Amino acid sequence: ELKVEQNPLFLSMQEGKNYTIYCNYSTTSDRLYWYRQDPGKSLESLFVLLSNGAVKQEGRLMASLDTKARLSTLHITAAVHDLSATYFCAVDAGTASKLTFGTGTRLQVTL
Amino acid sequence: DAGVIQSPRHEVTEMGQEVTLRCKPISGHNSLFWYRQTMMRGLELLIYFNNNVPIDDSGMPEDRFSAKMPNASFSTLKIQPSEPRDSAVYFCASSLQSPYEQYFGPGTRLTVT
Repeated sequence: ELKVEQNPLFLSMQEGKNYTIYCNYSTTSDRLYWYRQDPGKSLESLFVLLSNGAVKQEGRLMASLDTKARLSTLHITAAVHDLSATYFCAVDAGTASKLTFGTGTRLQVTL
Repeated sequence: DAGVIQSPRHEVTEMGQEVTLRCKPISGHNSLFWYRQTMMRGLELLIYFNNNVPIDDSGMPEDRFSAKMPNASFSTLKIQPSEPRDSAVYFCASSLQSPYEQYFGPGTRLTVT
């Protein structure tokens, strides 16, 4: 059974600081997805990583995938308050479109 | 595109009543997923369909839960009878065959009293 672990589960950081969220998964996969969820809202797709070494960037967020290490990272550069949300990674379970989600990382950016 | 549409957005019902949640996927998408999210259990996949056919319903908690997809543009999740522990936010998502990126609807917040 595919297991997806994120750490940390909760992250409080000051504006302007950098930090990384980690997503580890237990079986071979070369498709990984990052989502954002604001409180009381739905999940919004951020990044789709489809191969080893894939790197995607959008604003202050950068995601990467190392399929050999079974690891994806979401790097936050110079955090701003608007980035406060819960971030989920999800891994293709190898079964025709089914995704397994991590537990989420709740990010709080303080002024 | 209007995105994934779910109705109702909020539902409050009494224990024992039947609840039906509805979902319209993005046009052209051929996979549809039902999830449940709670603070305690996080995001759980309940069931998913490919080309209107249920593929994996192992996440459906009990026989009280059932889901149908009669055509490519409509799906329902029914709970009968409902119980307080069913209170949660239920999301519907849809995706194309590849790259399998799932697009989520706004969710239905269900409260069973």
